[in-house]
Amino acid sequence: QVQLVQSGSALKDPGASVTVSCKTSGYTFTKYPINWVRQAPGQGLEWMGNINTNTGNPTYAQGFTGRFVFSLDTSVRTTYLQITSLKAEDTAVYYCARAVAGTRGFGDFWGQGTLVTVSS
Amino acid sequence: QSALTQPASVSGSPGQSIAISCTGTSSDVGGYNYVSWFQQHPGKAPKLLIFNVNNRPSEVSNRFSGSKSGNTASLTISGLQAEDEADYYCTSYTGGETMVFGGGTKLTVL
Repeated sequence: QVQLVQSGSALKDPGASVTVSCKTSGYTFTKYPINWVRQAPGQGLEWMGNINTNTGNPTYAQGFTGRFVFSLDTSVRTTYLQITSLKAEDTAVYYCARAVAGTRGFGDFWGQGTLVTVSS
Repeated sequence: QSALTQPASVSGSPGQSIAISCTGTSSDVGGYNYVSWFQQHPGKAPKLLIFNVNNRPSEVSNRFSGSKSGNTASLTISGLQAEDEADYYCTSYTGGETMVFGGGTKLTVL
C-alpha cells in the first residue's frame, strides 16, 4: 500500500537549519511528484511547492524561495525539505503529499506531518 | 499568488446540505479544471475529497460533490453528519506547475 512517512519533530534555534524527510513506499517513486505544504499553528494550509521525482526539478511557491530547498534521493525513495536560517515564523507542521495521477492535483496520499518548532 | 477566498465558517444541522464556495480568478479557478477539496480534522493530515473539480476518490462518500461556475468552485456536502465537522480547504492549479490554497472554512454541525 502507498505510504509516505515523515521524519520526527524537530526543535531548532533561530538561525539554524532543519531537514524534513518524506520516505515513500508502495508505488513507483519516479512517477508522482511530491508536494510540500505548511501549516502554522492555528492557521490554514499553504502550498510550498513540489519536486518532480523523475527529473529532480523543484518548483517553489512565492514566499518559499531562497531559504527552502527540495531535494530527493531516488535510491531510497525519499524527498527532503531543507529550511535554512530558521525564523520563529517557520514554526509549523510540514506535510509532504503525493501528486494525483493524470491531473495537476495532489494529495491522495499524505505524510503524517512533521512539527518544526523554532525557539531559543 | 493570492489565496483563494473561502467563507471562514459555515454551519448546518444533521441531515441538511451545505455548500462551501471557493472564489479565485481567471488565472486559477476559472482558467483550469484542476480544483481540489480537502477535509482536515484537528491534528490530522488533510484528506482528499474531490479532484479535477468534480471527481471523487473511490473511498470518499458520495455525499461529497464538487462543481465550478466561472471563477468560483463549490463543495457540497449532503446529509450532514457529526463526523463532517472539520476544516475544509480548496486548492487550484495556477499555471506554471504552481498551486494555491483557499484560506479554509470551518464547518460546524449543529
